Amino acid sequence: GQQLNQSPQSMFIQEGEDVSMNCTSSSIFNTWLWYKQDPGEGPVLLIALYKAGELTSNGRLTAQFGITRKDSFLNISASIPSDVGIYFCAGQREGSNYKLTFGKGTLLTVNP
Amino acid sequence: DSGVTQTPKHLITATGQRVTLRCSPRSGDLSVYWYQQSLDQGLQFLIQYYNGEERAKGNILERFSAQQFPDLHSELNLSSLELGDSALYFCASSGAGSWGGEQFFGPGTRLTVL
Repeated sequence: GQQLNQSPQSMFIQEGEDVSMNCTSSSIFNTWLWYKQDPGEGPVLLIALYKAGELTSNGRLTAQFGITRKDSFLNISASIPSDVGIYFCAGQREGSNYKLTFGKGTLLTVNP
Repeated sequence: DSGVTQTPKHLITATGQRVTLRCSPRSGDLSVYWYQQSLDQGLQFLIQYYNGEERAKGNILERFSAQQFPDLHSELNLSSLELGDSALYFCASSGAGSWGGEQFFGPGTRLTVL
């Protein structure tokens, strides 16, 4: 099935650094979601975006819905060790009956 | 804790067998979604039910089927299992009052087919 192009695939950073990751698609999406998944657990919803250009924060996390509606970005500021995990973007296309299309994830490692 | 429960947590079975995975959505949520997560394919949407009725189908094999019961819990049935069916299976739910996009995931069932 169709998947979103998520990058980077992995990141190794030092504690305290800021992190950026993004998702792009050739299709227009009307909803963008960002999830975090810890090993052996289910994805946890971090941020939901519903309007082109929307910028939403959740603590140290900020996500943006691209104005073209074909991309989204997630930034994490002042990373801490518990930020370690896999971050997934997910998009919902109009008329998809709420079906989510997922990116392949960004594996984040934070060195203390 | 998302409020979505899934059982069992782990399942080990042999090729050719049939298994049933169970999901209870968050209280009040009418929609249930099933996803398969494997290393090479990532998270793939399988099927969606809304208030007991099938609403959308994704990459679900004919050997797989699902249903949602009147109490809104859902079951995913996997039959004639093959080695390649080994994966994590997640259930997610969303509320009738939400835009549908905010799906909350359960902890998953890890299926190992030997």
